[in-house]
Amino acid sequence: QKEVEQNSGPLSVPEGAIASLNCTYSDRGSQSFFWYRQYSGKSPELIMFIYSNGDKEDGRFTAQLNKASQYVSLLIRDSQPSDSATYLCAVNPMDSNYQLIWGAGTKLIIKP
Amino acid sequence: EPEVTQTPSHQVTQMGQEVILRCVPISNHLYFYWYRQILGQKVEFLVSFYNNEISEKSEIFDDQFSVERPDGSNFTLKIRSTKLEDSAMYFCASSDGTGLTDTQYFGPGTRLTVL
Repeated sequence: QKEVEQNSGPLSVPEGAIASLNCTYSDRGSQSFFWYRQYSGKSPELIMFIYSNGDKEDGRFTAQLNKASQYVSLLIRDSQPSDSATYLCAVNPMDSNYQLIWGAGTKLIIKP
Repeated sequence: EPEVTQTPSHQVTQMGQEVILRCVPISNHLYFYWYRQILGQKVEFLVSFYNNEISEKSEIFDDQFSVERPDGSNFTLKIRSTKLEDSAMYFCASSDGTGLTDTQYFGPGTRLTVL
């Protein structure tokens, strides 16, 4: 059974600080890793993807991947109240070209 | 910016009835997907569709479910005989199929309520 685990939170971060969100996955052969943001009652919105070990930066967001530890994280710099949402980690497993396996999400609250 | 659209936004039906959920994927995308999310739970993969056939399906996607691309733009999910436990948000997604960097873009969802 392929699993993607996230701390459900809520994670409370002061405005302007760095928010750090973590995700672990069970399928060692997983290929691509995605972070989505989901506001309550809305659909997942892609933030960024990563597939190579190391860091990938896009604006205020940095994704970090460590395949040896089966760990992927998302850092949000200069957190804004509008970043308050649930952050979903999704993984493309080794034996699939198409489906994504999803974590339950971490609820992030940015306090003004 | 191109986006995935879904209709209706909310569908209420009686148990045992058939429903059809509709999606218009992004126009140059080749891969189409249906996911569902029961309230308060994880997003779950249902099915992927490419070149007019199912590429992959999950255990959830049993004989009561079917998908179709009836024309060049629409992609539909049919649930033949709805059950109470089918109540969920159903999301359609599409992607252009570019390998490791292939990213799925989601529509706004259809909330299905089975009474």
